[in-house]
Amino acid sequence: SYELTQPPSVSVSPGQTASITCSGDKLGEKFTWWYQQKPGQSPVMIIYQDFKRPSGIPERFSASNSGSTATLTISGTQAMDEAVYYCQAWDTTTAVFGTGTTVTV
Amino acid sequence: EMQLVESGGGLVQPGGSLRLSCAASGFFFSFYDIHWVRQGPGKGLEWVASIGTAGDTFYSDSVKGRFTISREHAKNSSYLQMNTLRAGDTAVYYCTRSTDALTGFDSWGQGTVVTVSS
Repeated sequence: SYELTQPPSVSVSPGQTASITCSGDKLGEKFTWWYQQKPGQSPVMIIYQDFKRPSGIPERFSASNSGSTATLTISGTQAMDEAVYYCQAWDTTTAVFGTGTTVTV
Repeated sequence: EMQLVESGGGLVQPGGSLRLSCAASGFFFSFYDIHWVRQGPGKGLEWVASIGTAGDTFYSDSVKGRFTISREHAKNSSYLQMNTLRAGDTAVYYCTRSTDALTGFDSWGQGTVVTVSS
């Protein structure tokens, strides 16, 4: 079965840049989505189709996808960005989520 | 304002059944695919099942043959019938939607808790 692997945790100082990777076989040939989940809350889509931001999502969130790795970048990280981040892709008709990365600011 | 509201969770014994409901409002329900995603205690997100606008269904291997997803356009609702429940099915179950097949989940409900335990 298809797997997406993320680092368990990333630590970043306020105002600095955090990068979260998501690795999967030929992931660059698929679209990826990214979700943010804060404690006790439902996930929120923050990136769709590799790099696009839904309305209301701050510009400090950006993403790319190439080869076997998708990357979510948070520029000028703020305390409110502390959360777990998940990547997601489709393997034929099966949705696959990454293992999740906890970002600590 | 668009909303997805799950209900029907609770405590059930292993081998038992439960039916979850997802009530949609604030958007044209029939235009969207509906999905169920679960999250076990302290764990990550796991896709469970999907149903398209025409009623086509897809399931994860872990629930195939035990769970059935359905939708009722007239009631703007989706359902997840869960049979032969196991301890490993214990999770928060989220209802979510996508604009069409093989896209991302742009809105999520608040979740309903299912606990499988004797």
